[in-house]
Amino acid sequence: DQQVKQNSPSLSVQEGRISILNCDYTNSMFDYFLWYKKYPAEGPTFLISISSIKDKNEDGRFTVFLNKSAKHLSLHIVPSQPGDSAVYFCAASGKTSYDKVIFGPGTSLSVIP
Amino acid sequence: DAGVIQSPRHEVTEMGQEVTLRCKPISGHDYLFWYRQTMMRGLELLIYFNNNVPIDDSGMPEDRFSAKMPNASFSTLKIQPSEPRDSAVYFCASSKTSGGRYGYTFGSGTRLTVV
Repeated sequence: DQQVKQNSPSLSVQEGRISILNCDYTNSMFDYFLWYKKYPAEGPTFLISISSIKDKNEDGRFTVFLNKSAKHLSLHIVPSQPGDSAVYFCAASGKTSYDKVIFGPGTSLSVIP
Repeated sequence: DAGVIQSPRHEVTEMGQEVTLRCKPISGHDYLFWYRQTMMRGLELLIYFNNNVPIDDSGMPEDRFSAKMPNASFSTLKIQPSEPRDSAVYFCASSKTSGGRYGYTFGSGTRLTVV
């Protein structure tokens, strides 16, 4: 059973518009949530994270929103650029030092020029 | 820093052969992780180490898989004997923590094809 879900396998957005990637989780004990970006033939790279005590974290064009009551988080990219085309993984981990990171299946984003 | 270094980048082997994947983590990172990426299961954690000691190997699929970390700068993932269903991209990652606070640094992966 998947603890971290990304129900949209793919998403296409016009350049300059907003990209919204969604993620749902089932484990209420998760303490940190992260987004990773992956280009073909490369490893995933860490993009942005958010603690469970916050509801928003912003870093340049990237903003992550967390809704704990709904067990839902989203990544907003504004404005979207062609270089943002990649697979985006949502991930989550617990509080303890031995808690590992659980990844979702990923959403492939295509930003169309 | 050169980042997490994995070798080889590609490996093609025949069913039944032994396969060894290698990883050099970032210096100073106490945690090392082996992940496998497949279309069906996405990114799944196989095993992770803390200070060279295996902490959680619950994701290792079968006894055919084994992992070692003889020192802080080197780890191996071995499959013996290999099977076609082991075909996947295997990633190594390292971090200062096991949790998500600082993110993991991934290597470029090894694409394994078992024919």
